Amino acid sequence: SSELTQDPAVSVALGQTVRITCQGDSLRTYYASWYQQKPGEAPVLVIYGKNNRPSGIPDRFSGSSSGNTGSLTITGAQAEDEADYYCNSRDSSGKHVVFGGGTKLTVL
Amino acid sequence: QLQLQESGPGLVKPSETLSLTCTVSGGSISSSSYYWGWIRQPPGKGLEWIGSIYYRGSTYFNPSLNSRVTISVDTSKNQLSLNLRSVTAADTAVYYCASHNSGHDTDSFDVWGQGTMVTVSS
Repeated sequence: SSELTQDPAVSVALGQTVRITCQGDSLRTYYASWYQQKPGEAPVLVIYGKNNRPSGIPDRFSGSSSGNTGSLTITGAQAEDEADYYCNSRDSSGKHVVFGGGTKLTVL
Repeated sequence: QLQLQESGPGLVKPSETLSLTCTVSGGSISSSSYYWGWIRQPPGKGLEWIGSIYYRGSTYFNPSLNSRVTISVDTSKNQLSLNLRSVTAADTAVYYCASHNSGHDTDSFDVWGQGTMVTVSS
């Protein structure tokens, strides 16, 4: 089992706001990074650090952190946002990288 | 623009060694900005970090794979390599290489290769 826990599935109505969470003790010290993966494609980094978006990522994607939980928020979800989302950070030792189990986002 | 491309056999026999290469273009593997990482994804499952390497050779690995993994860098070819020994069917996965930005308070895999599917079967 992963040291980072994600809900397996989340749904959102088109145009509404959705928050995808990632829980783990290491997130009290380290920020989560977030990836979007569509079927048959490689993951794409969407958020890293405190709340940084790589070039080309829409500003409807944002990140936040509180306690042992990191969150990815999509404000005004679009049909093209339907995908699997993964978080990553360090493990509890701080020495190794871990990924969350992933959340499947459905846009209704 | 940084690009990564994995290559290697798509089929490996059980107990043998899986060997993959990742060619980096649009940037230097000797960049001090990045580590370089390998991540895999079994069919229908999530992502698993395998390990990462700095161009000067320092490495760190997933503890669950540590005893079977070697990662190396060839700066003259702008490539990194992965060797995974004694493979079983559980090692069947899509294998990705990626640039790994390892900061003091965050880790991110910024640019990914397209991935290569490796099946372990006799």
